[in-house]
Amino acid sequence: RKEVEQDPGPFNVPEGATVAFNCTYSNSASQSFFWYRQDCRKEPKLLMSVYSSGNEDGRFTAQLNRASQYISLLIRDSKLSDSATYLCVVNSWGKLQFGAGTQVVVTP
Amino acid sequence: GAVVSQHPSRVICKSGTSVKIECRSLDFQATTMFWYRQFPKQSLMLMATSNEGSKATYEQGVEKDKFLINHASLTLSTLTVTSAHPEDSSFYICSARDSGGADEQFFGPGTRLTVL
Repeated sequence: RKEVEQDPGPFNVPEGATVAFNCTYSNSASQSFFWYRQDCRKEPKLLMSVYSSGNEDGRFTAQLNRASQYISLLIRDSKLSDSATYLCVVNSWGKLQFGAGTQVVVTP
Repeated sequence: GAVVSQHPSRVICKSGTSVKIECRSLDFQATTMFWYRQFPKQSLMLMATSNEGSKATYEQGVEKDKFLINHASLTLSTLTVTSAHPEDSSFYICSARDSGGADEQFFGPGTRLTVL
């Protein structure tokens, strides 16, 4: 079983719409959680950290459910530039475990 | 934000040769750097943790004699793929953690290795 699992997508989203997706993680002792964005053939870039109380950064909202061991990301008012692969990342004892990513394609 | 560079960005080599990839933290010191590998449509997989002044810690299944890591200074770690084979072709990415900062890892732009 993979440490971090994500729906690979793609999620095809009309511009301006809302899209949400989850990931699940297997290590209940994981300490911190992140969403990264990766564009094609580029390095991952930190989008936002995920806190237990849920947090928002502009059009992006992240939620963490420790009891069920899942993390979610919601993107409101999607822009064409939001098209990318979103990586769910879990920090366990200083090591980052990456999901394979969820591909989002925002269409005009 | 903090900047991490990698060199080269792309390399094509013949089977059996060795390839060295450099990872540098440009504006901060990094006691710890990490080396990842990513195959197409797959997740980044941690290969090893590179610690300045000491031996690297390799993840299970990663051959330390094949992937040599040297972290000689607080701003430079190198990964050498020895006797490369076509199955070593991949996207290699390093990251660095600011010694004086929080948990965040800053990623280099990656090196695309193609072994013919």
